[in-house]
Amino acid sequence: AQKVTQAQTEISVVEKEDVTLDCVYETRDTTYYLFWYKQPPSGELVFLIRRNSFDEQNEISGRYSWNFQKSTSSFNFTITASQVVDSAVYFCALSEAGRGTDKLIFGTGTRLQVFP
Amino acid sequence: ETGVTQSPTHLIKTRGQQVTLRCSSQSGHNTVSWYQQALGQGPQFIFQYYREEENGRGNFPPRFSGLQFPNYSSELNVNALELDDSALYLCASSLDRNTEAFFGQGTRLTVV
Repeated sequence: AQKVTQAQTEISVVEKEDVTLDCVYETRDTTYYLFWYKQPPSGELVFLIRRNSFDEQNEISGRYSWNFQKSTSSFNFTITASQVVDSAVYFCALSEAGRGTDKLIFGTGTRLQVFP
Repeated sequence: ETGVTQSPTHLIKTRGQQVTLRCSSQSGHNTVSWYQQALGQGPQFIFQYYREEENGRGNFPPRFSGLQFPNYSSELNVNALELDDSALYLCASSLDRNTEAFFGQGTRLTVV
């Protein structure tokens, strides 16, 4: 069965702290995609990253970085030097390629609050 | 390049009524997916349309139906509304299947 678990319901940090959001996934497929989305209070899901199962190279984009480890089925997201504008709900999602429908299976989200 | 737009942004309906939500996909995108997001939960996949054909459906009853038009815009129809249908409905478009999905701002439906 496909499943995404985000065990952290809510995280609060003070500005400039680093914060890591955890994501653990389950799938039987060998080919799949992993995603992170940000949902600010406005409601729109903002695409952050897409990673395929064959690319375990970590990625850095500005203050954001992602650590993909197939051995532990994890795809964690780190924000360095957090800012108040990073406050949002963050969702990790899984999509299984090759099944005809690339539906996204989302975790329950982690609410990040960054205080000044 | 215009993004994904949804209408209306908010809607209040009475139990038993029918509702139609609309989505204009991003320019050049031929795939549209609909998701339901209950308060405090992650989005749940309703169905996907690819080139005007349904291309997969989640665990939702038949009273949830959809359409995709030749310009790749889409509608989500919900009949016989129930209180539990109250949620944020999100539309996502992608350039093709298995590519990044870009979401609209959603329609918040309240059923009373």
